[in-house]
Amino acid sequence: AIQLTQSPSSLSASVGDRVTITCRASQGISSALVWYQQKPGKSPKLLIYDASSLESGVPSRFSGSGSGTDFTLTISSLQPEDFATYYCQQFNTYPLTFGGGTKVEIK
Amino acid sequence: QVQLVESGGGVVQPGRSLRLSCAASGFAFSRYPMHWVRQAPGKGLEWVAVITNDGSNKKYTESVKGRLTISRDNSNNTLFLQMNSLRAEDTAVYYCARDAYGYGPGYYFAHWGQGTLVTVSS
Repeated sequence: AIQLTQSPSSLSASVGDRVTITCRASQGISSALVWYQQKPGKSPKLLIYDASSLESGVPSRFSGSGSGTDFTLTISSLQPEDFATYYCQQFNTYPLTFGGGTKVEIK
Repeated sequence: QVQLVESGGGVVQPGRSLRLSCAASGFAFSRYPMHWVRQAPGKGLEWVAVITNDGSNKKYTESVKGRLTISRDNSNNTLFLQMNSLRAEDTAVYYCARDAYGYGPGYYFAHWGQGTLVTVSS
């Protein structure tokens, strides 16, 4: 199975900060990667698909980049509603796998 | 709008069975692959199973093969997960999720239900 390693596992940031989360795949997955946001007690929400395409309705401060094995989710200016846990997921090969998550907390 | 409503969770003893359901509405259910994804308490997300739109093809994560079975009833817009020989490590919130694409084997999750908690404990 393809392993996805997210870093950091958690971070503290302030409103207005630029935040970058990375996801590294154990083998090349082209652009078959998505990002989700999950708030406590809620279901995950799709943010980015195909590594860099913004899902409809998602604020433009979210962006994704990368291909192959290295991917990045960037929040250009962190807002109060962005404090959550973020997960990457690959769909290049079954079984579908997720990264371990990155918890973004208030500094 | 797309709605997915899971039911059937609860507390069950190890070795026993449980059947989860997911009622779908707001989209053409029979066109989409459907998934189950789970999340153990305080842990990350784990994909469990997928079924193609017509039910002809199913895939599972290794740890549930032979114990959990995904199925669907397209005439009633319902997805199921039959869970047999349950173990403590199956304890999780189980989410029903609709695939992003109306074709293919299943890729990623465009819509999620609210989840149903399964607790396996004696």
